Amino acid sequence: DAGVIQSPRHEVTEMGQEVTLRCKPISGHNSLFWYRQTMMRGLELLIYFNNNVPIDDSGMPEDRFSAKMPNASFSTLKIQPSEPRDSAVYFCASSLDGSPGKQYFGPGTRLTVT
Amino acid sequence: GESVGLHLPTLSVQEGDNSIINCAYSNSASDYFIWYKQESGKGPQFIIDIRSNMDKRQGQRVTVLLNKTVKHLSLQIAATQPGDSAVYFCAEKSGANSKLTFGKGITLSVRP
Repeated sequence: DAGVIQSPRHEVTEMGQEVTLRCKPISGHNSLFWYRQTMMRGLELLIYFNNNVPIDDSGMPEDRFSAKMPNASFSTLKIQPSEPRDSAVYFCASSLDGSPGKQYFGPGTRLTVT
Repeated sequence: GESVGLHLPTLSVQEGDNSIINCAYSNSASDYFIWYKQESGKGPQFIIDIRSNMDKRQGQRVTVLLNKTVKHLSLQIAATQPGDSAVYFCAEKSGANSKLTFGKGITLSVRP
């Protein structure tokens, strides 16, 4: 079975540009999570969805960040405009309601903003 | 490769020895705990979990111990292998909320 799929795997962009990260959760999973990982701050939850509805977005840094889940098989995380401090690895994870703690992570998108 | 582990605490063990990775959690209301393993260039991978009504749970070569009195969680790996080299994270959850709070991570380095 395919795991969580993320694209792109690497993204290099200039400050001020819009960045869109994509995620396809595991089929049948109904919760989806976006995380950011840096050396300084570790692994931080940005937002999570349940049944395509945003439940907790308290980790979203600021208005430059937005996330959508138009259907059960696709989600996007958008940064507009991007800044150098947004450079990090962004992970998407999914889980089943019955096992909310057992999250399956994608391979991540390494974002570099110059 | 992944640079996540460069500034994390490191545990170095000899191949074949047992490893014990410790984690202190902060929320006394947490009722569910998980250990994840993250290899270089990959996302975290589930290892084992434990609910707060238990104090020990065993998997294949791994054991998780929970001490709620002192809010301490540990992961024991038996007969550590080179493939166990990775960053290990503990995570906690409380209530019906699906949100996990991750610890900072510990790098396990296995010497051949």
